[in-house]
Amino acid sequence: EVQLVESGGGLVQPGGSLRLSCAASGFTVSGNYMTWVRQAPGKGLEWVSLIYTDGTTKYADSVKGRFTLSRDTSTNTLFLQMNSLRPEDTAIYYCARGYCSGAYCYPVWFDPWGQGTLVTVSS
Amino acid sequence: EIVLTQSPATLSLSPGERATLSCRASQSVSSYLAWYQQRPGQAPRLLIYDASNRATGIPARFSGSGSGTDFTLTISSLEPEDFAVYYCQQRRNWPPLTFGGGTKVEIK
Repeated sequence: EVQLVESGGGLVQPGGSLRLSCAASGFTVSGNYMTWVRQAPGKGLEWVSLIYTDGTTKYADSVKGRFTLSRDTSTNTLFLQMNSLRPEDTAIYYCARGYCSGAYCYPVWFDPWGQGTLVTVSS
Repeated sequence: EIVLTQSPATLSLSPGERATLSCRASQSVSSYLAWYQQRPGQAPRLLIYDASNRATGIPARFSGSGSGTDFTLTISSLEPEDFAVYYCQQRRNWPPLTFGGGTKVEIK
């Protein structure tokens, strides 16, 4: 079964750091496009970052230079290192995989998604 | 950045009724548009991709149409589990990938 499980969220002070993890099962993280999307409390979805199969990463302007997306093939886990956190980074952070239908994968349509991990940036 | 505008913000309907949701792009996205459903307390799930293709396991009552700047998600007959928030997303020009602000389908 394809599954994504996020962890690492919590309460952090402004300026602090957190590292989110997304453990994958049923497929390989390195063989798929993977993304992080966040949702502020009561708000809509905001794309954060994406990693290609070749390791290339892309970021939203709002997090560029502060967040770093990486992956570990040995543990089949995706990471989001978040530095210089701001109150406006408060959100549920979801990881998701590029959608695959049969043998074909669509890199930037996303399914499945994990259940999310809550990050709260507050003093 | 391509801005997606969804309307209406809230749609109040009864089970069995037809729902029509709109997503308008600030510039052409061709057919590179998807729709997601998010039920309360749950993660989003992909419903429609490339404007009109249903994702695996999505019931036939969900359909998508449109191209260019105007898109529609139609739910032909609302089931109780369809009351949720729906988002559109484009991949025509990115980064950034962008989502619409969402349409909440609520029980009337």
